[in-house]
Formats: sequence, C-alpha cells, structure tokens
Amino acid sequence: AQSVTQPDIHITVSEGASLELRCNYSYGATPYLFWYVQSPGQGLQLLLKYFSGDTLVQGIKGFEAEFKRSQSSFNLRKPSVHWSDAAEYFCAVGAGLTGGGNKLTFGTGTQLKVEL
Amino acid sequence: NAGVTQTPKFQVLKTGQSMTLQCAQDMNHEYMSWYRQDPGMGLRLIHYSVGAGITDQGEVPNGYNVSRSTTEDFPLRLLSAAPSQTSVYFCASRTRQGGENYGYTFGSGTRLTVV
Repeated sequence: AQSVTQPDIHITVSEGASLELRCNYSYGATPYLFWYVQSPGQGLQLLLKYFSGDTLVQGIKGFEAEFKRSQSSFNLRKPSVHWSDAAEYFCAVGAGLTGGGNKLTFGTGTQLKVEL
Repeated sequence: NAGVTQTPKFQVLKTGQSMTLQCAQDMNHEYMSWYRQDPGMGLRLIHYSVGAGITDQGEVPNGYNVSRSTTEDFPLRLLSAAPSQTSVYFCASRTRQGGENYGYTFGSGTRLTVV
C-alpha cells in the first residue's frame, strides 16, 4: 500500500529565508508525486508534480521539488519565502506510470508560518 | 468554467439526519473520488469510482454511500449523520490517462458540521 510521511507538522521561517519541506513516500514502483498548498478555508492548489524524467521539478510561485528514488523522498524547496507563502502544504502520491488506479494518498501536512 | 463543482459549500446537520453532498464535473473524467479532511490527518480517501456504475471503498468508507450513474456526477450520501463526520469534504476527478495528463482536479470543498 502506498503511504506518505511529512515529518514536520509546523515550520516557521523568516521572510526572505530559504525553505525546505520534507516528504517521504512508500510505493512499489515509480510513483506520481504531488505537492499541494492550501490557504485557510480554501481548497487545494497544485504546486507541482513529478511522474518521470528530470528529477528536479519546477512549479508555480517559485517552488521546486527534487525526486530522490534512493531516499524515497520528494522534498519541496523555495529559495526565498514570501509572507504570502504561509499556508498548509501537502505531499501526495498517486498510482504509477501506467496511470491506472484512482488512489491519491496524502501526507498529514506541514503548516508553514512566515515571520516578518 | 470547466472543473469540479461541489454543493453545498456549508451544511449543519443534526445527529441522525441524512443528506447528500453533490459533486459534478464537466471534463469527462473517468475517475472520481471523495476525501475528507480533518486537522492533523491530511486528506483521507472515502470512496472512489473508475467509471459509471463502478465504485469502491477507500480508507474511511464507514457511514458513507456512493453511486455513479453518470460520468459527470458522484454524490456522497450520509445515511445517519454522526458528530464524527464533522469535516471538510473534497471531491476530485481525473482522466484515466497517465503521463503528462495525470492530474487531479479538486472541488472547493463542503464544510459539514454535525451537532
């Protein structure tokens, strides 16, 4: 069964500082990996996804993530955080390259606070 | 605009009442899912469907029923609401295709409170 672990429940960074949110997954083959962001009271917005190819994926709002198969990780990074990045971030894993299956498994989320 | 539409956005129920959360998509997506979101637990899969007439249970199916009579609609039914079902519910859909086309579209959510 697929699973996702986000070990950091809360993270606080200063505006302008760099950010890395950790995500570890468990899946038997090469997975589809996603990062979503959710502002309070809002729905989910897709930041980026990985399914094959270049292991460094660029997303929206200046975010990027690196897929490391050997570490089963898909960490999200941003070089310089803005106050508007304060939100909850979810890592998720979907079924593999065949595209079959309809189970998207989420981590428990990381709440990001940005200090001005 | 194309997307996933959920209704209602907010609902308060009394324990024991029944209701249906509606979900409709206009992208001709084969796959549809229901998730619930609770603090500290992320989103958990309730039920999912891979096409009209085909549904299956997810991680937390108890207390919920679904059916899929058309490609567009995937309603979630609470037969006898319990306070433990207080949550935010998200519907999602995706095409059956993989590769670059693999991606879920989420609705804006339904916030349900059971008192």
